[in-house]
Amino acid sequence: DSGVTQTPKHLITATGQRVTLRCSPRSGDLSVYWYQQSLDQGLQFLIQYYNGEERAKGNILERFSAQQFPDLHSELNLSSLELGDSALYFCASSGGGGLMTGELFFGEGSRLTVL
Amino acid sequence: AQSVAQPEDQVNVAEGNPLTVKCTYSVSGNPYLFWYVQYPNRGLQFLLKYITGDNLVKGSYGFEAEFNKSQTSFHLKKPSALVSDSALYFCAVRPQTGANNLFFGTGTRLTVIP
Repeated sequence: DSGVTQTPKHLITATGQRVTLRCSPRSGDLSVYWYQQSLDQGLQFLIQYYNGEERAKGNILERFSAQQFPDLHSELNLSSLELGDSALYFCASSGGGGLMTGELFFGEGSRLTVL
Repeated sequence: AQSVAQPEDQVNVAEGNPLTVKCTYSVSGNPYLFWYVQYPNRGLQFLLKYITGDNLVKGSYGFEAEFNKSQTSFHLKKPSALVSDSALYFCAVRPQTGANNLFFGTGTRLTVIP
């Protein structure tokens, strides 16, 4: 058990809808990272938050947004969903927000299916 | 720009034989390099990392990796494969300066045959 909790584990929705994925980082970790894993794209970095502030941005679509709350949990909001958004979404956490030389601790992911 | 290549989608090895999972990288400056493993329906788990120092890095479950700067490679190895090693393996890199997140390869599925 990595200590990172993601909900929901599975989600099925229709095109055009909006969903929210939730992540609770490991106790004491200030940084949260979101990754998307799809069959054809591999593991893609979406966005990082550190102590409530956006720290780094990757290949995140404009339809997607995220935030980190004062209690350090994070939410990833996906809107106007398309079939191609079907993927496994991972949250990971780490201790620092500065230079990341340590490991990331991953949750078990939220599997999103868009029909 | 930084990138990671895992040239083999699939590696099959017999139980008890040595295994190698290949990784090459491209990054500006010196890299931090990582290996992660993903078991079915689970998140990624850290195996080992190279930050600096000895080119041979030892990690969890008997795995090791060798950093080769001239070949820009960081291959994962294990002297004797176990059936339980069957999983998806990801190599990842981040530059020492700049982007503060990991860039992952596309993964290599290792199957250890009993």
